[in-house]
Amino acid sequence: QQQVKQSPQSLIVQKGGISIINCAYENTAFDYFPWYQQFPGKGPALLIAIRPDVSEKKEGRFTISFNKSAKQFSLHIMDSQPGDSATYFCAASIETSYDKVIFGPGTSLSVIP
Amino acid sequence: DGGITQSPKYLFRKEGQNVTLSCEQNLNHDAMYWYRQDPGQGLRLIYYSQIVNDFQKGDIAEGYSVSREKKESFPLTVTSAQKNPTAFYLCASSPGGGQRSGNTIYFGEGSWLTVV
Repeated sequence: QQQVKQSPQSLIVQKGGISIINCAYENTAFDYFPWYQQFPGKGPALLIAIRPDVSEKKEGRFTISFNKSAKQFSLHIMDSQPGDSATYFCAASIETSYDKVIFGPGTSLSVIP
Repeated sequence: DGGITQSPKYLFRKEGQNVTLSCEQNLNHDAMYWYRQDPGQGLRLIYYSQIVNDFQKGDIAEGYSVSREKKESFPLTVTSAQKNPTAFYLCASSPGGGQRSGNTIYFGEGSWLTVV
């Protein structure tokens, strides 16, 4: 019940296209869902996060869509650029608890010119 | 600048040697973490600490040890008992449980450990 599933494992998108990464969770107590972006040889960096009181959050070209009933959330990258090529991790946690954050296995995104 | 500093960036370990990776944060965060990442793989939790002088094993603690004597510092020792230590090690911190955004994790730049 603590697992976060993430798909696809890898994704190739043409420049200007839309990249979509999906995650699913089982623990209905989770109430904080961040996405992290990791470039090769670097630590992951917080990209965007959502709480279940909203169904969508947008920051620039990055949008999180959240479906509470389906226990799914997804990251959309609009107008994908080669500079977006990175590994993306979704995560879930109970925001104010002392329980550990659960990370998805990651998606390697390559944006080709 | 506030952040998490890991050192060294690159470290080589001989067989049978213990090595220690340093992690310091000046974010005034209560919680700190160590993750291991193998090439092309995800993040695996080694140890975490929610408060000074207390820490818990993560999913892959065998062959590793930590200490948390100061709020700012959470060093990781890779012992000779860890049979396959070559990996990318990430230190992280978060504000801590019991508060909004308490579990927002911030990562350091990582340390590469190679067995020679």
